[in-house]
Amino acid sequence: GAGVSQSPRYKVAKRGQDVALRCDPISGHVSLFWYQQALGQGPEFLTYFQNEAQLDKSGLPSDRFFAERPEGSVSTLKIQRTQQEDSAVYLCASSSGNFNQPQHFGDGTRLSIL
Amino acid sequence: AQKITQTQPGMFVQEKEAVTLDCTYDTSDQSYGLFWYKQPSSGEMIFLIYQGSYDEQNATEGRYSLNFQKARKSANLVISASQLGDSAMYFCAMRFLNYGGSQGNLIFGKGTKLSVKP
Repeated sequence: GAGVSQSPRYKVAKRGQDVALRCDPISGHVSLFWYQQALGQGPEFLTYFQNEAQLDKSGLPSDRFFAERPEGSVSTLKIQRTQQEDSAVYLCASSSGNFNQPQHFGDGTRLSIL
Repeated sequence: AQKITQTQPGMFVQEKEAVTLDCTYDTSDQSYGLFWYKQPSSGEMIFLIYQGSYDEQNATEGRYSLNFQKARKSANLVISASQLGDSAMYFCAMRFLNYGGSQGNLIFGKGTKLSVKP
């Protein structure tokens, strides 16, 4: 597609359930980032892939968060045993990898944990 | 510590006037990139403009320009001839080189909510 695609757009889950969020980056983009945006705040970095390699996962808040990009294109962010504090918008961004190129964001997944 | 500060939680501007959104940053790195993004109420993050730390000229993209003052560590966004569609959250962000020279993640400020009045 022309842009970064994320699904679902909205997700409601009960506390304790597992959720999976999908990101389909711009074709050919080697770099893929996940960010978490709390209400009224700027996005915060979660994890980074270069092709299929997860080079940085320092922003993942706990071991309940797991991300993968097995074939170097589509990525999935999984949250196990969800907690209410996981409620946020999860943004995916991709880029060509060159330093002066911007990251292009998807529309995000708004996750609500009841 | 690397940090972005946006001191204006909200700004109002009259349609057709210019507005400046403030951004200061804190880093001891010499190589970095500065970005501005727009986030309308619908939620998508839209890239507006980029300034590299070694760029000598201020970046411009249509109605957007970046007032880059490296010594003061500021990168203010100027929007000329404001339009109603400019009403949105605006985020300043910074990025550094990863090991190996690839781009790193963005560090965002808290944002400024701009409201354009007709």
